[in-house]
Amino acid sequence: AQRVTQPEKLLSVFKGAPVELKCNYSYSGSPELFWYVQYSRQRLQLLLRHISRESIKGFTADLNKGETSFHLKKPFAQEEDSAMYYCARGVYAGGTSYGKLTFGQGTILTVHP
Amino acid sequence: NAGVTQTPKFQVLKTGQSMTLQCAQDMNHEYMSWYRQDPGMGLRLIHYSVGAGITDQGEVPNGYNVSRSTTEDFPLRLLSAAPSQTSVYFCASSYRPPYGYTFGSGTRLTVV
Repeated sequence: AQRVTQPEKLLSVFKGAPVELKCNYSYSGSPELFWYVQYSRQRLQLLLRHISRESIKGFTADLNKGETSFHLKKPFAQEEDSAMYYCARGVYAGGTSYGKLTFGQGTILTVHP
Repeated sequence: NAGVTQTPKFQVLKTGQSMTLQCAQDMNHEYMSWYRQDPGMGLRLIHYSVGAGITDQGEVPNGYNVSRSTTEDFPLRLLSAAPSQTSVYFCASSYRPPYGYTFGSGTRLTVV
């Protein structure tokens, strides 16, 4: 099975502290990896995708194929970063992506003032 | 450009009733999916489509049907609602998978 693991259900930090949300994935092929954010009772929003190597709202994520990880990092957390964060990967069958995503269980990030 | 539109936003059903959750997108995306979100379980794929006329099952398809007669619409039908189908349902669409999905605002369904 192609799995995504987010080991922390809850993560609390203080404003200005660094934050790292962990994500590990199974399967050794070429993954499509994403981070989605969901603010309270809102729709999921795409935060980052590994193909873009971009920085959105100060967040970055580096794909480590050796460790099969795609951890999300931000050097200085803000209160408005408090949300649910989901790591997701594209699902492959026979080497082809069919546009399906497997999600981790999510990490609730709380940034305290 | 409305993105992905889901209706209704809230729904309460009695056990055994049927209903259709609507999903429409105006971005000419070929890929569309339905997910359910349950506490502690993340999002799980119900059904997906890679284009008009093409659908397939995801991880948790039992009790749900889909069809894709047009590129724009991807309705999800609950055949005979059960309390286990109480969940938040999200529809999503994508131009191409590596670029990520755009999600709708969700339908909160309660089956009593």
